[in-house]
Amino acid sequence: EIVLTQSPATLSLSPGERATLSCRASQSVSSYLAWYQQKPGQAPRLLIYGASNGASGTPARFSGSGSGTDFTLTINSLEPEDVAVYYCQQRSIWPRVTFGPGTKVEIK
Amino acid sequence: EVQLVESGGGLVQPGGSLRLSCAASGFTFTTYWMSWVRRTPGKGLEWLANIKQDGSEKYYVDSVRGRFTISRDNAKNSLYLQMNSLRAEDTAVYYCARDRYDILTGYNDAFDHWGPGTLVTVSS
Repeated sequence: EIVLTQSPATLSLSPGERATLSCRASQSVSSYLAWYQQKPGQAPRLLIYGASNGASGTPARFSGSGSGTDFTLTINSLEPEDVAVYYCQQRSIWPRVTFGPGTKVEIK
Repeated sequence: EVQLVESGGGLVQPGGSLRLSCAASGFTFTTYWMSWVRRTPGKGLEWLANIKQDGSEKYYVDSVRGRFTISRDNAKNSLYLQMNSLRAEDTAVYYCARDRYDILTGYNDAFDHWGPGTLVTVSS
């Protein structure tokens, strides 16, 4: 099973700052890496697919990068509405899917 | 607008059964693979199973294979999850999700729409 590790576990930043979230895979997942945002009481929302492609409706301040085993989700100019848990997910070997444990983003 | 709405969650005793349903609307249900995913306090998000458009292929994660059964009724635009032999560790919020099909790669790589979830609590 491909294990995804996310860091940091919690990120506390001020509005307007840049947030950098990391996701590392235990083996290469090529570019089959997605990012989700989950706010309290809500379903996960797809932000990024294919490591760097914005899903429909994803604000431009969110961007993804990386390939192989190391990936990054960047939130430029953090806004209060971005408070959420962010998960990475891979499906490089059909049909198996694994998720990372999540990074909680807080506003100072 | 794509909508997925789960139902059927509740409190069940260990060893008991429960059937979850997911009503889909706003898209052509028969053209998508569909999945069940759960979120537990201990393990976070866990993909459980998915099913092909016509129901001819089904796949499960090891932790539920043999206990859970995924199915669909395309005439009713509905997805189901039959859960048997439930354990305390199955306590979770259960989501149905639409597999995202990438037209460039021809691969279902992520989940582009999710329902709000239904809570299942397994406890005596």
